Amino acid sequence: AQSVTQLDSQVPVFEEAPVELRCNYSSSVSVYLFWYVQYPNQGLQLLLKYLSGSTLVKSINGFEAEFNKSQTSFHLRKPSVHISDTAEYFCAVRAPHLIPRGSTLGRLYFGRGTQLTVWP
Amino acid sequence: DGGITQSPKYLFRKEGQNVTLSCEQNLNHDAMYWYRQDPGQGLRLIYYSQIVNDFQKGDIAEGYSVSREKKESFPLTVTSAQKNPTAFYLCASSLKSSGNTIYFGEGSWLTVV
Repeated sequence: AQSVTQLDSQVPVFEEAPVELRCNYSSSVSVYLFWYVQYPNQGLQLLLKYLSGSTLVKSINGFEAEFNKSQTSFHLRKPSVHISDTAEYFCAVRAPHLIPRGSTLGRLYFGRGTQLTVWP
Repeated sequence: DGGITQSPKYLFRKEGQNVTLSCEQNLNHDAMYWYRQDPGQGLRLIYYSQIVNDFQKGDIAEGYSVSREKKESFPLTVTSAQKNPTAFYLCASSLKSSGNTIYFGEGSWLTVV
């Protein structure tokens, strides 16, 4: 099975400052990696994902994450945050197989989330 | 519009009553999931279904039941056996292959008093 650790439960920053939300994972197989964002009282939205290829992936709103296999990390970064980035961010991993019946492969495992609060 | 619709958004029930949360998707996705979210605990998988008429227990299935009679529908029943049912419930769906994104509904708040 896979597991995900988000090292910080709360990250407060001032507007226009850089931010890094940390995510480490453990898995006995290679994995796909995801970052989701959740605004208050809403569902989760995919922010970005790594499946293969370039280890640096980017979102349309300026976030980026880098897959580091040796450190088993997938940290999320943004060089300059806005107040509208205030939300909870979840890192998740999934094994890259089709889902056989009854198997835990293919399940999405989530970290506990990091609340990013951007202050003016 | 395509997407996942959960209803109701807010639900209050008395302790000891069963309650059913609706989840419908028109994305033609094979797999559907129910997660429970509690503050500080992230998302925990309750049940998931890969095909119609088939579903598997997740990590916290006790006190919950599901059905998958149609591809587009995956209702969750919170039974009186669930000891602490007050939570935010999220339904999700995806195509079968693990590389595909899992999409989420807007969630349902259940409060048991």
